[in-house]
Amino acid sequence: GEDVEQSLFLSVREGDSSVINCTYTDSSSTYLYWYKQEPGAGLQLLTYIFSNMDMKQDQRLTVLLNKKDKHLSLRIADTQTGDSAIYFCAEILDSGGYNKLIFGAGTRLAVHP
Amino acid sequence: KAGVTQTPRYLIKTRGQQVTLSCSPISGHRSVSWYQQTPGQGLQFLFEYFSETQRNKGNFPGRFSGRQFSNSRSEMNVSTLELGDSALYLCASSIQGETDTQYFGPGTRLTVL
Repeated sequence: GEDVEQSLFLSVREGDSSVINCTYTDSSSTYLYWYKQEPGAGLQLLTYIFSNMDMKQDQRLTVLLNKKDKHLSLRIADTQTGDSAIYFCAEILDSGGYNKLIFGAGTRLAVHP
Repeated sequence: KAGVTQTPRYLIKTRGQQVTLSCSPISGHRSVSWYQQTPGQGLQFLFEYFSETQRNKGNFPGRFSGRQFSNSRSEMNVSTLELGDSALYLCASSIQGETDTQYFGPGTRLTVL
């Protein structure tokens, strides 16, 4: 089935690390994505990871993939108030030979001083 | 390179009317996908176009339709608007390469009164 699950809310203190978790269902997904959405805006692509990788690091962002458990996480180091947003995890699903993105419900990250 | 643009950004309509939303993809991108985002249902896939052909369709009624032009620009149309059609409509384009990574526009906020 098509189901990507995320916790709905995360609150962290400025300067701490944030870890946003996601589980997905399609073990054949080739790419998994993290998008960020700020209030009133569209989705900004943050990063993606290929399914044959365990980890990808990009500046303050670290993505970990556990393919056996179908678990994906996004770690934001030194979280800032500008990181406050909704973060969406998404997997690629092969739909009759064509790809479509399946999104989780999004995790709202609140960063407080 | 300019990003994905959507027009208009905001729209207010009344029940029973119809609406047309426009999306211009990133230059060189031939695939355009549309999503509906609501607080209750999250991000839901509407349809995807490639080379003027609809390749993929989500579970939406026939009131929702779209098309793509030869320059890859896309429009979506919603006829006989209902209150529940109030949402943020997001367009995404991709280059149809290996990752099929989708890049999103800022969205059109549709309010149906």
